[in-house]
Amino acid sequence: DTAVSQTPKYLVTQMGNDKSIKCEQNLGHDTMYWYKQDSKKFLKIMFSYNNKELIINETVPNRFSPKSPDKAHLNLHINSLELGDSAVYFCASSQDGMTNSPLHFGNGTRLTVT
Amino acid sequence: AQSVTQLDSQVPVFEEAPVELRCNYSSSVSVYLFWYVQYPNQGLQLLLKYLSGSTLVKGINGFEAEFNKSQTSFHLRKPSVHISDTAEYFCAVSEGWTGNQFYFGTGTSLTVIP
Repeated sequence: DTAVSQTPKYLVTQMGNDKSIKCEQNLGHDTMYWYKQDSKKFLKIMFSYNNKELIINETVPNRFSPKSPDKAHLNLHINSLELGDSAVYFCASSQDGMTNSPLHFGNGTRLTVT
Repeated sequence: AQSVTQLDSQVPVFEEAPVELRCNYSSSVSVYLFWYVQYPNQGLQLLLKYLSGSTLVKGINGFEAEFNKSQTSFHLRKPSVHISDTAEYFCAVSEGWTGNQFYFGTGTSLTVIP
């Protein structure tokens, strides 16, 4: 009965490769997010989708491309991986995208680029 | 832009002692305030939130926080900590009327010493 689930939990890959991270939420929420947590634990928003529509697209290299096939899923595809992409990536959802709706996080995907 | 400051990056405290984790934010508009906890290798979980009303809010696991508008603070407190409270704690702020995203502090690592 996991609310926000993302796969894989760990991802180790070489520079230049392309990889995807999948996220699904069963909470019936309208809005989903991708956050990046760096080695210093700093959390930064990357993207936000509301009902499959892109709402927030922070300054992120265009090697990162989110895709939302339906409002319960938000996947993240990363092309030409670089060493600096190593981080923990968190998927999250909120009920309606309003700022008084708390975020519900997945358990994260630890990406290591070698 | 909104900024959130957690002054203490690490807080060691003995078991059963009280603890306060500090959070200050910069905003002149109405805000919503949140505290999240992150246990090792897990996502963030909501501890408590302030949306409106009473400035003292109670959350899960015996934590509480007080909103102080004049000091733009939202400090987290617990009167008696347990070993299981060892985790990373994040303060987050969103702007009530115009914002569409959350701003996170850099986190405070709480270590409870037996």
